Amino acid sequence: ETGVTQTPRHLVMGMTNKKSLKCEQHLGHNAMYWYKQSAKKPLELMFVYSLEERVENNSVPSRFSPECPNSSHLFLHLHTLQPEDSALYLCASSQEVRGLGWDYEQYFGPGTRLTVT
Amino acid sequence: TQLLEQSPQFLSIQEGENLTVYCNSSSVFSSLQWYRQEPGEGPVLLVTVVTGGEVKKLKRLTFQFGDARKDSSLHITAAQPGDTGLYLCAGAVRRGGADGLTFGKGTHLIIQP
Repeated sequence: ETGVTQTPRHLVMGMTNKKSLKCEQHLGHNAMYWYKQSAKKPLELMFVYSLEERVENNSVPSRFSPECPNSSHLFLHLHTLQPEDSALYLCASSQEVRGLGWDYEQYFGPGTRLTVT
Repeated sequence: TQLLEQSPQFLSIQEGENLTVYCNSSSVFSSLQWYRQEPGEGPVLLVTVVTGGEVKKLKRLTFQFGDARKDSSLHITAAQPGDTGLYLCAGAVRRGGADGLTFGKGTHLIIQP
């Protein structure tokens, strides 16, 4: 496997279900991100993990719960979602170089298309 | 909150024509990136521009960063059907730690054979 992989690619879940999205990066990067992409809206940053520590949470509802067990893996745990949460969920990774102030080019996975019924 | 406005939102042209898409903001960014996204896939990085006034070329694609680092343009010469996709610009603000990017809504580009 190369690059950033995401599973599953498609997910249909009811509002009372619990599911998890998985992301794995094979690039040796030290930062990982979750984004939400909805129709007619810009990509929205949800969570950032740098060196396995969450550094940003952009006011995401608690029904979304991220987990980063190591620098290569990232999960997004979902429970009691709403229909408006239906979207493409994208994972990305980058190489952060502390102190150099470089702006981190991000490498995206193919996304999980989530439909909440 | 930094906002990036992309224009046009939709563009459909014939193969062989030239086109320019724009990315504008009232905020200053330390760098700006352009991505292309195809249906069912994640965005793929095309280029990063860092210096005000910088111009970068990638085959038939020319990217320019505004002098004030608030805007950028992408010009495609002799467009081909393979250029079809969603073009996204994304700005980065230099902060202490790893940062997510601020994205525009994108330009949906269709090149008709």
